[in-house]
Amino acid sequence: GNSVTQMEGPVTLSEEAFLTINCTYTATGYPSLFWYVQYPGEGLQLLLKATKADDKGSNKGFEATYRKETTSFHLEKGSVQVSDSAVYFCALSDSGGAQKLVFGQGTRLTINP
Amino acid sequence: GAVVSQHPSRVICKSGTSVKIECRSLDFQATTMFWYRQFPKKSLMLMATSNEGSKATYEQGVEKDKFLINHASLTLSTLTVTSAHPEDSSFYICSARGGVGVGGSPLHFGNGTRLTVT
Repeated sequence: GNSVTQMEGPVTLSEEAFLTINCTYTATGYPSLFWYVQYPGEGLQLLLKATKADDKGSNKGFEATYRKETTSFHLEKGSVQVSDSAVYFCALSDSGGAQKLVFGQGTRLTINP
Repeated sequence: GAVVSQHPSRVICKSGTSVKIECRSLDFQATTMFWYRQFPKKSLMLMATSNEGSKATYEQGVEKDKFLINHASLTLSTLTVTSAHPEDSSFYICSARGGVGVGGSPLHFGNGTRLTVT
């Protein structure tokens, strides 16, 4: 079945550091890929997405590229801020009609000033 | 943007009682709603998919008689945990999708409900 594997956290960085959170997936067909973010005390919010191979999703300085050859969708940001502290989830949706989301285990990110 | 309201945010109940969690789409009609369960330090696990006016589709291993889902209208789905036990303590999250999307429509998530069964 479909699955998503994220790098384990927690991840702690200093402000303005470069961020990479690895995500790899296993899927049949042609899934869409997502990164969701959960800020403290809030629900999940879509951060970015990519729907086909080589697509790059970007938002709020974050980027991720859909790499079919390596089945990866790593999240990157060049200079993180304290406000980026949150839990980040990589997810895929199947290519069938149900479009259910399969999530990775989440990575807790803490940015220190 | 689209908002999904989930209520209550926290609930503590005694073992053997039932608890109902509501999920409402506030500014759109949700043809499909999903219920997830999040274990500590683990990913969200899809429990069931509910479509308005029809029976929910449960994922393998989820007891449909224990986790009753009702999606009676286009803006409301409920999850009832029946005869709750301490092992049902978890974080439950709903999400809603309206209309038909292309290439994987993003979902709108509620803020979750922390259930503690004593």
